[in-house]
Amino acid sequence: QKEVEQNSGPLSVPEGAIASLNCTYSDRGSQSFFWYRQYSGKSPELIMSIYSNGDKEDGRFTAQLNKASQYVSLLIRDSQPSDSATYLCAVTGGARSNYKLTFGKGTLLTVNP
Amino acid sequence: DAGVTQSPTHLIKTRGQHVTLRCSPISGHKSVSWYQQVLGQGPQFIFQYYEKEERGRGNFPDRFSARQFPNYSSELNVNALLLGDSALYLCASSLDRGLEQYFGPGTRLTVT
Repeated sequence: QKEVEQNSGPLSVPEGAIASLNCTYSDRGSQSFFWYRQYSGKSPELIMSIYSNGDKEDGRFTAQLNKASQYVSLLIRDSQPSDSATYLCAVTGGARSNYKLTFGKGTLLTVNP
Repeated sequence: DAGVTQSPTHLIKTRGQHVTLRCSPISGHKSVSWYQQVLGQGPQFIFQYYEKEERGRGNFPDRFSARQFPNYSSELNVNALLLGDSALYLCASSLDRGLEQYFGPGTRLTVT
């Protein structure tokens, strides 16, 4: 079982729609959860962090965490063509390994005008 | 405020050569991590340094080494380069372990 799994996509949504990105992780001791956006040829950019169960909203972005189900998601409301990018889910380990991020392969999102 | 900086931006090396990549963290950040990203994959953890001490090492061969300096900048060294070392090398800084990590622009290494 891969440590962090994401649907590779591509995920295609029309402009103005809600894009839903999902991620599951295998380490039950994981403590911190992050979503990064990566444009083609660029480095990852942190867009959301979440540390406890529930929802966290920041502008058009909402991160959701369910530790019992080992599941974290990212919702993008009112999607814009500029949101077209690869979205990477990243997870830190438990207390002994919370120094490193483990990434999924990323989900390619395309927002069509 | 300046973000994470890395140098050089691009690098072309020949198999068997050695390379040194450099990183300066965000001001006030004491932790620097290095990641390798190959096309189509998420970044893979190589090292983390905090207060000049190695905090963790990923599953990379001993050809990879790193260090952190008193000003918290860091170097990643790779010896005896292989074709498979061609990748985007990313540096990330954070206030401390487990917290948000912010990436620099990366160094694109091509080994021929």
